[in-house]
Amino acid sequence: KAGVTQTPRYLIKTRGQQVTLSCSPISGHRSVSWYQQTPGQGLQFLFEYFSETQRNKGNFPGRFSGRQFSNSRSEMNVSTLELGDSALYLCASSLAAVGHQNTEAFFGQGTRLTVV
Amino acid sequence: AQSVTQLDSQVPVFEEAPVELRCNYSSSVSVYLFWYVQYPNQGLQLLLKYLSGSTLVKGINGFEAEFNKSQTSFHLRKPSVHISDTAEYFCAVTPWAGGTSYGKLTFGQGTILTVHP
Repeated sequence: KAGVTQTPRYLIKTRGQQVTLSCSPISGHRSVSWYQQTPGQGLQFLFEYFSETQRNKGNFPGRFSGRQFSNSRSEMNVSTLELGDSALYLCASSLAAVGHQNTEAFFGQGTRLTVV
Repeated sequence: AQSVTQLDSQVPVFEEAPVELRCNYSSSVSVYLFWYVQYPNQGLQLLLKYLSGSTLVKGINGFEAEFNKSQTSFHLRKPSVHISDTAEYFCAVTPWAGGTSYGKLTFGQGTILTVHP
């Protein structure tokens, strides 16, 4: 059974540009969540999608957006990149949503975004 | 809202020694608790989880954790560590049953475990 796949693994962008990251969840999983990991702020929740609907959103500016497709694959987009957006972006998939009994989140290897 | 505090940012230990990584949490509602491990340049791997039932939970790679509701703690232990256990460990919580918490794990700041030969 394939795990969570995130592409690309590494990305270098210039300030002001936009970027799109992709996440393919485990087959059959309908919930996809995104997290930002930085040395200073640690792991922070960005948003969660379930059946193409955003159900929860963290405290990030509107430059961070996402979507989920009918096959549960998800993308997140960051517009007008800032130096502080440099981070490891992690995607997690789960059957339902973390918080439902016996539901656990499986994480991908992440996309390392560097903004220069 | 929930918060998680990992009491040690770094824990050095010698191979075959026991180790305990400490985690305290704060929440006004009941939560599920998790420990994840992250190796360099990798994602997070679930070590163990507490959902309900026995407060002592066993996970992969010989790790175990004990949920203490009165002390709001979920400390991770291993009786004998190996070099390969060197990694960063994260404690996380999520409230029961979704609602505004859908998909949201709240993580501690992480503990870097370094096992020396």
